[in-house]
Amino acid sequence: DTEVTQTPKHLVMGMTNKKSLKCEQHMGHRAMYWYKQKAKKPPELMFVYSYEKLSINESVPSRFSPECPNSSLLNLHLHALQPEDSALYLCASRRDSPYNEQFFGPGTRLTVL
Amino acid sequence: DAKTTQPNSMESNEEEPVHLPCNHSTISGTDYIHWYRQLPSQGPEYVIHGLTSNVNNRMASLAIAEDRKSSTLILHRATLRDAAVYYCLFQDDYKLSFGAGTTVTVRA
Repeated sequence: DTEVTQTPKHLVMGMTNKKSLKCEQHMGHRAMYWYKQKAKKPPELMFVYSYEKLSINESVPSRFSPECPNSSLLNLHLHALQPEDSALYLCASRRDSPYNEQFFGPGTRLTVL
Repeated sequence: DAKTTQPNSMESNEEEPVHLPCNHSTISGTDYIHWYRQLPSQGPEYVIHGLTSNVNNRMASLAIAEDRKSSTLILHRATLRDAAVYYCLFQDDYKLSFGAGTTVTVRA
């Protein structure tokens, strides 16, 4: 199984809603990532988890709250988002060597009204 | 952060080779050069990576200049399924920093 799955595929939420994005992999990878991608732009790194511990936070606003409950799961909790947060949110994973490739999921398309 | 420079776009005919250049003059001696591509409506996909020597795999070849200040991704026979944005980037420890990439269009 060399797949990273993400749910939901699409999400529409209001600015007062609380929602969560979910990412799952069963490749035994111990590094997991969240990226944000706006239309026609490259992905931007948000968070990195290494062995279920948050190792990198790229100065992301606190309305985005990541969680890694176990080695296979990565969540991104969303609260009080703004319309400019509408984007494709990508999850990725990688074996713990820094020179191995990252495997990306298909992303969740988020629209904030 | 080390930076890469790529052309905005390239066009190719089907079945012909595509050479995608990347400049990375600030690369350090231990940075690996990675290439990913992103097909429409999909997440990025790993293509190839290398350090100093040229590399080949089933998807592409990577030619790295002797001074490591540039590299070229070679798609040997482009197909319509190769139409994508191709990113040249470095993996700094755990981080991948994506540049703007090159949009490749393949004509039938």
